[in-house]
Amino acid sequence: DIQMTQFPSTLSASVGDRVTITCRASQSISSWLAWYQQKPGKAPKLLIYKTSSLQSGVPSRFSGSGSGTEFTLTISSLQPDDFATYYCQHYNSYPWTFGQGTKVEIK
Amino acid sequence: EVQLLESGGGLVQTGGSLKLSCAASGFTFSLYAMSWVRQAPGKGLEWVSGISGSGDSTYYADSVKGRFTISRDNSKNRLYLQMNSLRADDTAVYYCAKVAGPRMGRIDYWGQGTLVTVSS
Repeated sequence: DIQMTQFPSTLSASVGDRVTITCRASQSISSWLAWYQQKPGKAPKLLIYKTSSLQSGVPSRFSGSGSGTEFTLTISSLQPDDFATYYCQHYNSYPWTFGQGTKVEIK
Repeated sequence: EVQLLESGGGLVQTGGSLKLSCAASGFTFSLYAMSWVRQAPGKGLEWVSGISGSGDSTYYADSVKGRFTISRDNSKNRLYLQMNSLRADDTAVYYCAKVAGPRMGRIDYWGQGTLVTVSS
């Protein structure tokens, strides 16, 4: 099974900061990686798919990059609505796995 | 508008069974794979099981293989998860999720979740 390692687990940042979250796969997943945002008590929301494609309706300050085993999610200028937990997930093959999550907190 | 509405969660004893249901609307149900994803209290997301749009292929996480069964009724636009031999570590919110393709793809829509609590 493919393992996903996500870091950092917690990130403290201020409004306006540029934020980067990294996700590493235990073997190549090509570009089959998605990023989700989850707020407390809510279902996750798709932000990015196929490594770098922005889901409809998601602000352009979110971007994704990478390939093979190393991937990043970048928020170019952190906004108040962005304080949440972010998860990466591979869908290269079953079983799918998620990263452990990164909680973005207010500094 | 895509809507996914889970039901069937609740409190069950260790070793017991429970069947979750997900009512789907707003899309052609039979054209898309579906999945169940769970989240234990205060923990991260865990993919549980998936099923192809036609229902001919099913997939499971090792943690539930042999205990859980995923199925779908395309005539009723419903997804199911039969959970047997439940354990305390199965306690979680269970999300129904729509996949963006007939067999594989990103999860593009999520339900609001249903809580399953397993207790002795």
